[in-house]
Amino acid sequence: DADVTQTPRNRITKTGKRIMLECSQTKGHDRMYWYRQDPGLGLRLIYYSFDVKDINKGEISDGYSVSRQAQAKFSLSLESAIPNQTALYFCATSGTTSGGASEQFFGPGTRLTVL
Amino acid sequence: GENVEQHPSTLSVQEGDSAVIKCTYSDSASNYFPWYKQELGKRPQLIIDIRSNVGEKKDQRIAVTLNKTAKHFSLHITETQPEDSAVYFCAARGYGGSQGNLIFGKGTKLSVKP
Repeated sequence: DADVTQTPRNRITKTGKRIMLECSQTKGHDRMYWYRQDPGLGLRLIYYSFDVKDINKGEISDGYSVSRQAQAKFSLSLESAIPNQTALYFCATSGTTSGGASEQFFGPGTRLTVL
Repeated sequence: GENVEQHPSTLSVQEGDSAVIKCTYSDSASNYFPWYKQELGKRPQLIIDIRSNVGEKKDQRIAVTLNKTAKHFSLHITETQPEDSAVYFCAARGYGGSQGNLIFGKGTKLSVKP
């Protein structure tokens, strides 16, 4: 089945370390997103990409960077991790339709703990 | 930009009762309003969506209503079952430079008691 996958699924790291979270999709979608989920705060958009050459900041991009290596791959980096970046991170993808928006499909999530 | 408010943050109902979750949005140009369900430890998944040219949409026990004038939309779950227990997120599609992006509400934790 076409799907969205994330690696790693869990990661514990220390303050100041560089961390990369990876996302791959086999849905053939052009649009990819990175979200952060914290209890009581919902899903907040970090970065998004509408195609390989397009990268855009979302609501909470400070402290994060991304790379769209191919249509199917979108990675999120924390250059110097800090404890308040401890959260559940989701990658998502969506296609494009003549009507504009379409369903976003989420990956299984990466639980990141920064000590 | 778009802002989405969701209420209540928690909701507890008895099995068989109905549950209603309400959301308001700020951008009158928003035209797509999905609802996602997230079970414990799982990824969010779309359960129903509505576009701005429709006032109501139903799918078995769930329905969504949209009032464009008041800029609010609601999720209705009838005959609730324990497996409906989850966190539900509403969202509205942003417009302009962020076309295609979804702005999510903060979620409602629904508990259905047997």
